[in-house]
Amino acid sequence: AQSVTQLDSQVPVFEEAPVELRCNYSSSVSVYLFWYVQYPNQGLQLLLKYLSGSTLVKGINGFEAEFNKSQTSFHLRKPSVHISDTAEYFCAVSDLGGNNRKLIWGLGTSLAVNP
Amino acid sequence: DTGVSQDPRHKITKRGQNVTFRCDPISEHNRLYWYRQTLGQGPEFLTYFQNEAQLEKSRLLSDRFSAERPKGSFSTLEIQRTEQGDSAMYLCASSRDRAEAFFGQGTRLTVV
Repeated sequence: AQSVTQLDSQVPVFEEAPVELRCNYSSSVSVYLFWYVQYPNQGLQLLLKYLSGSTLVKGINGFEAEFNKSQTSFHLRKPSVHISDTAEYFCAVSDLGGNNRKLIWGLGTSLAVNP
Repeated sequence: DTGVSQDPRHKITKRGQNVTFRCDPISEHNRLYWYRQTLGQGPEFLTYFQNEAQLEKSRLLSDRFSAERPKGSFSTLEIQRTEQGDSAMYLCASSRDRAEAFFGQGTRLTVV
């Protein structure tokens, strides 16, 4: 079975500062990795995904993440945040070999960007 | 392509009533998922369809919950005899084969 741990429940940061949202996972099989963003009262939007290949993945809105297999981590970064990045961020995994591709989620990290 | 559509966006119901939610996936997406998200938590998997076949159900899906996807297009999720613990955001997602899932805006259920 897989599990996902998002190490910070809340991350406050000032506008234009860099940010890192941490995600660790546990799995006995190879996985796909995802970061989604959720704005208030909205659904989930995919930021980026790691399926294979380069361990540095670039996504939308200037975000990127690095897959580290030895540390089973997939931390999300942005070099300079904007007020509009204030949202809930979720890390998720799905079983590489499974057929259903259901997602197992972390509890989320609330990013608050202050002026 | 208008994305995944869910209806209604909000539903308030009295305890003990039945409710039904609808999800229209992106056209030609053969996979459809239902997730539940409670306040301050990540989404939890409920059930999965490939075309019209319901291939997996979470043990979270008690016998009061039933989901269908007739003809492999839209899906409905029905909750019978609602309880206060059913209050949550119900999220629908669709995907094509093994590509990433696209989510709808969700249906927020409040049981009073």
